[in-house]
Amino acid sequence: GAVVSQHPSRVICKSGTSVKIECRSLDFQATTMFWYRQFPKQSLMLMATSNEGSKATYEQGVEKDKFLINHASLTLSTLTVTSAHPEDSSFYICSANLGTSYEQYFGPGTRLTVT
Amino acid sequence: KQEVTQIPAALSVPEGENLVLNCSFTDSAIYNLQWFRQDPGKGLTSLLLIQSSQREQTSGRLNASLDKSSGRSTLYIAASQPGDSATYLCAVRTGANSKLTFGKGITLSVRP
Repeated sequence: GAVVSQHPSRVICKSGTSVKIECRSLDFQATTMFWYRQFPKQSLMLMATSNEGSKATYEQGVEKDKFLINHASLTLSTLTVTSAHPEDSSFYICSANLGTSYEQYFGPGTRLTVT
Repeated sequence: KQEVTQIPAALSVPEGENLVLNCSFTDSAIYNLQWFRQDPGKGLTSLLLIQSSQREQTSGRLNASLDKSSGRSTLYIAASQPGDSATYLCAVRTGANSKLTFGKGITLSVRP
């Protein structure tokens, strides 16, 4: 199947710093990518839809100035958590749709811990 | 607003058993439905995708069915193995390129 990668897989940062997470579609072009957040033992929560060459669409309740999304190319979207706080600690997962079937493929996730 | 329900939240079965995981959704006007597997601390692996015009899809020991009119999908796992232990998530898409709506998942444990 299609491959989506994320980098880094784990990151620990201090409160107040910013962290960037990369999401890449390795063998296909993705005009749309999605960013999710997952708390322990809970399902995925969609944060935003990232569109190549345009502004991301954020879900209700997600602070766009805190979670900056950039989708500069058809294979790369980035999520920057600005001025991170311990409550931002979570598992962040990106995904992308493949082709006209709109089958969604997910990256392996990034575990963010803010101390 | 589309809502997806997966019951029960957890299931434990002995190895070798055939089992069915259920998924229900409130709005039958879906574009497609996808079943995923998630291992602890990992991302999601796509298992099967069923388009709205299809009734079922098969991959190896897995078979997924879709009944749009009743708002239900099932994932059938034949001859379960301990390696099948994971959380299984059902998700529906209501339109092309629209977001997925996820169920909360079923955590499956297959006992050796």
